[in-house]
Amino acid sequence: NAGVMQNPRHLVRRRGQEARLRCSPMKGHSHVYWYRQLPEEGLKFMVYLQKENIIDESGMPKERFSAEFPKEGPSILRIQQVVRGDSAAYFCASSSIRTSGKNIQYFGAGTRLSVL
Amino acid sequence: GQNIDQPTEMTATEGAIVQINCTYQTSGFNGLFWYQQHAGEAPTFLSYNVLDGLEEKGRFSSFLSRSKGYSYLLLKELQMKDSASYLCADSGGSNYKLTFGKGTLLTVNP
Repeated sequence: NAGVMQNPRHLVRRRGQEARLRCSPMKGHSHVYWYRQLPEEGLKFMVYLQKENIIDESGMPKERFSAEFPKEGPSILRIQQVVRGDSAAYFCASSSIRTSGKNIQYFGAGTRLSVL
Repeated sequence: GQNIDQPTEMTATEGAIVQINCTYQTSGFNGLFWYQQHAGEAPTFLSYNVLDGLEEKGRFSSFLSRSKGYSYLLLKELQMKDSASYLCADSGGSNYKLTFGKGTLLTVNP
């Protein structure tokens, strides 16, 4: 029973390039969340998606960042024209249909983005 | 706003008991979560509390007091493999947007 799968585990980009991070949720999960973890900081919420819908993107920077969760295939977090400040660990989490109040999110191992 | 506070680091001895505290301030509340994260790995779900009191699960227990905005994670019979960061998070009023503290790095010494 595979957990949340993220790839690549490590990604190196030069300033101005594009970064594409992929996340396959746990089997049976239809809710996906992306978080960013900067050094010495806690995980920060970025976006919440369901299949073909962005539910809440209040944590996403307004420019250069986008996310999608298509009907088929993994969720993608896309960062255009990366800058050094984008260097961080990006974690994806997934959950099943939420019952009242309880929404346990299961995390992938993350993608560590380094911008040179 | 939401603010999660927990100690930065703790040290304990193998076989001992350690309590990691967490305080939170939130305008809404949908539960308090604890995760374990080893360096370079995924945060792993440990516990969820939404009602006051103690939830026990093997060597790990978690406590919640909603009136005090306070939780703790209790680890018993510490093992070397318990050396990790422990993350406290609350889901506030949204029920899905977890707000994490910076984590408590626990080192278990022999």
